[in-house]
Amino acid sequence: NAGVTQTPKFRVLKTGQSMTLLCAQDMNHEYMYWYRQDPGMGLRLIHYSVGEGTTAKGEVPDGYNVSRLKKQNFLLGLESAAPSQTSVYFCASSYGPGQYYGYTFGSGTRLTVV
Amino acid sequence: EDQVTQSPEALRLQEGESSSLNCSYTVSGLRGLFWYRQDPGKGPEFLFTLYSAGEEKEKERLKATLTKKESFLHITAPKPEDSATYLCAVQAGETSGSRLTFGEGTQLTVNP
Repeated sequence: NAGVTQTPKFRVLKTGQSMTLLCAQDMNHEYMYWYRQDPGMGLRLIHYSVGEGTTAKGEVPDGYNVSRLKKQNFLLGLESAAPSQTSVYFCASSYGPGQYYGYTFGSGTRLTVV
Repeated sequence: EDQVTQSPEALRLQEGESSSLNCSYTVSGLRGLFWYRQDPGKGPEFLFTLYSAGEEKEKERLKATLTKKESFLHITAPKPEDSATYLCAVQAGETSGSRLTFGEGTQLTVNP
């Protein structure tokens, strides 16, 4: 019972480099989310998806792109990394709106941009 | 704009010393209020969902309550293993996609 798996767990990028963070869930959840967590800022929503093939912008989408080609996977891309994107990134999934068990989160990816 | 404010930012308790964490919120049409626990280096772990004022939920030493403007997480006779950051989040009725707005959390330390 893996739940939500994020890869990689740690990454250091140079400014201007690109990378993709992968999120995979095995619970057949429809909804998936990408959040970033920064000290003093809490968790902020970057992008989310309400089903396969759909994506939408969250609170802080600039500098990120996402894709949901398969129901179980949600990818977060950084095309040209900036030091301001240094953060811990969390992926989460849920059955849908108003459901009882809330989100299931992954264990996070710690990204440093130098 | 939905807002969630948690207090205190940090709380240090002795083992067995009961206390409460506060979550104040401003949303347009509350659909649900969520409590999560987050341990260092890990993702948040779901604890409770509250849907309407007056509702209460319990789990071991934790009890969550909800009013029209705030929620409390009561910790009775805490143990060192209760040490963690506790996050509150709201889901608004106007918000599509089941999005949650999170507070910054309360970091709880329970000393033996």
